[in-house]
Amino acid sequence: ILNVEQSPQSLHVQEGDSTNFTCSFPSSNFYALHWYRWETAKSPEALFVMTLNGDEKKKGRISATLNTKEGYSYLYIKGSQPEDSATYLCAPYTGTASKLTFGTGTRLQVTL
Amino acid sequence: ETGVTQTPRHLVMGMTNKKSLKCEQHLGHNAMYWYKQSAKKPLELMFVYNFKEQTENNSVPSRFSPECPNSSHLFLHLHTLQPEDSALYLCASSQDLPGGYNEQFFGPGTRLTVL
Repeated sequence: ILNVEQSPQSLHVQEGDSTNFTCSFPSSNFYALHWYRWETAKSPEALFVMTLNGDEKKKGRISATLNTKEGYSYLYIKGSQPEDSATYLCAPYTGTASKLTFGTGTRLQVTL
Repeated sequence: ETGVTQTPRHLVMGMTNKKSLKCEQHLGHNAMYWYKQSAKKPLELMFVYNFKEQTENNSVPSRFSPECPNSSHLFLHLHTLQPEDSALYLCASSQDLPGGYNEQFFGPGTRLTVL
């Protein structure tokens, strides 16, 4: 069983704050890392698929970095807005598991 | 709208019932997936189909029986379920099987309650 850890488990920030969370995964046999955003009562939505060590991807105010050698990825949100409130899931794909293995997610709540 | 639809959205069934969950994707993808999410647990892969062929069965009990008649439709047939099978069941599709490089598109899920 692949061990995927996300921290913190939950986070409560005010509008305008910048925030970040972590995804840790085994670095061996790494192929790719997925980030998804899951808003309540909606479907999980892909944010990024990252494959290369040192990769940095950006979508609007959200960005992510990847370190495959040490097995972690950071997701950053700049100037959080209430619509950013969601659970953020990471899922590495490794040759060992041959499938996406999801973490339990970081639940972000942004208040006015 | 992600292009993946699931019906029904909510289902309550007794342990002796037989029911089916349906998933349809309108994205022209070749791979389809069933996931289960139980409370306080991560999304857990159940089955993977690629070009209608099952390529992964993640040690799922036989009371869950998938069916993929074509690349656009996926069913999950349920019979003699247990209360602990109550969960959110999500369907997803992707362009091809992972080598992990293809993002998955998820449906809204079916909230299943087994009494």
